[in-house]
Amino acid sequence: DTAVSQTPKYLVTQMGNDKSIKCEQNLGHDTMYWYKQDSKKFLKIMFSYNNKELIINETVPNRFSPKSPDKAHLNLHINSLELGDSAVYFCASSRGQSEAFFGQGTRLTVV
Amino acid sequence: GNSVTQMEGPVTLSEEAFLTINCTYTATGYPSLFWYVQYPGEGLQLLLKATKADDKGSNKGFEATYRKETTSFHLEKGSVQVSDSAVYFCARNYGGSQGNLIFGKGTKLSVKP
Repeated sequence: DTAVSQTPKYLVTQMGNDKSIKCEQNLGHDTMYWYKQDSKKFLKIMFSYNNKELIINETVPNRFSPKSPDKAHLNLHINSLELGDSAVYFCASSRGQSEAFFGQGTRLTVV
Repeated sequence: GNSVTQMEGPVTLSEEAFLTINCTYTATGYPSLFWYVQYPGEGLQLLLKATKADDKGSNKGFEATYRKETTSFHLEKGSVQVSDSAVYFCARNYGGSQGNLIFGKGTKLSVKP
């Protein structure tokens, strides 16, 4: 069983489109995250949700909107996609003082 | 400020060579420190961690010691294998949660047979 699963694994789309990436964790964790990894492999946190509430929102354009329907899911919706949004997006989850578990990543390519 | 600096790669070693990847951090307070590994085409996996000064994290032959006096968490392995080829990320947490992570830029390791 996959602990943190993201769909889709690959996403190719045109500029200006709106797309969503889904994330689900079956670990019973109460905090979920989205990270962005750019073309140089640099990883940066975007959002953190604890018990469905937004805790951290780093300097991310408001075209990015996370949605947490329940504690096990944190989806990332992106409006008006731009070329610079091309990256690998990682979902992660944790509980209390435990370390974070990461999903396999979604490679988004905007053309 | 809060940051993590690790040696830039790529690092190329022969099998059974000794590995060191340097990592230093800045922080107010005492964060938890981590090494994550990303194998080709895969997501991030926690390799090891240390939550307080002088703790040593270890896993799969890798070790790192939390050095408060030098604000460092260098990764070492005595004898690398081809299967260790990956990108290694040093990280520290912030804000209390161990999932709120500041990552270093990653170090790509290639091990040749």
